Amino acid sequence: GDSVTQMEGPVTLSEEAFLTINCTYTATGYPSLFWYVQYPGEGLQLLLKATKADDKGSNKGFEATYRKETTSFHLEKGSVQVSDSAVYFCALSTRSGNTGKLIFGQGTTLQVKP
Amino acid sequence: GAVVSQHPSRVICKSGTSVKIECRSLDFQATTMFWYRQFPKQSLMLMATSNEGSKATYEQGVEKDKFLINHASLTLSTLTVTSAHPEDSSFYICSFGGHSNQPQHFGDGTRLSIL
Repeated sequence: GDSVTQMEGPVTLSEEAFLTINCTYTATGYPSLFWYVQYPGEGLQLLLKATKADDKGSNKGFEATYRKETTSFHLEKGSVQVSDSAVYFCALSTRSGNTGKLIFGQGTTLQVKP
Repeated sequence: GAVVSQHPSRVICKSGTSVKIECRSLDFQATTMFWYRQFPKQSLMLMATSNEGSKATYEQGVEKDKFLINHASLTLSTLTVTSAHPEDSSFYICSFGGHSNQPQHFGDGTRLSIL
């Protein structure tokens, strides 16, 4: 079945370091791909999305490109801040029944130190 | 962006109590709602999908008689955990969604603790 795999965390970086969180997926057809962020004690917030191959989603300095050939959607940021510390979830949305059902990766905790 | 109000944000109650969690969209309407459960340091697991005016579709392993979902309107859904036990303690999150290429909009979650 459809699935999402993320790199294991926690990822610990110093402020202004470069961030990459790997995400790969398995899906039939052409899913939409998302990155969500969860701050402590809160629900999920959409960070960025891409709906077709080669699309690049971007927001708040974060970017991810939908790579169909490698079935990947890696999250990157050039210079992280302490405020970026959170749990990041990669997710795909199946097209089955057009209900938008999301399948999440296991989440990657990012800790940014001053 | 879209706003989803979920409450209560935290509930602590005794074993055997039934708990109702409400999820309301404040500025949009959606035919489909999702309820998720999240254990500490783990990902979100979909519990059920509901469409306004029809019965919810539960994921495998989720007891529909224990987790009652009412999708009363395009802006309101409730999850009732009936006769809750300590193993039901978790973080429950709702979301409103629509078409598959559109993002879901999540509530802030409810932390349920059963003593």
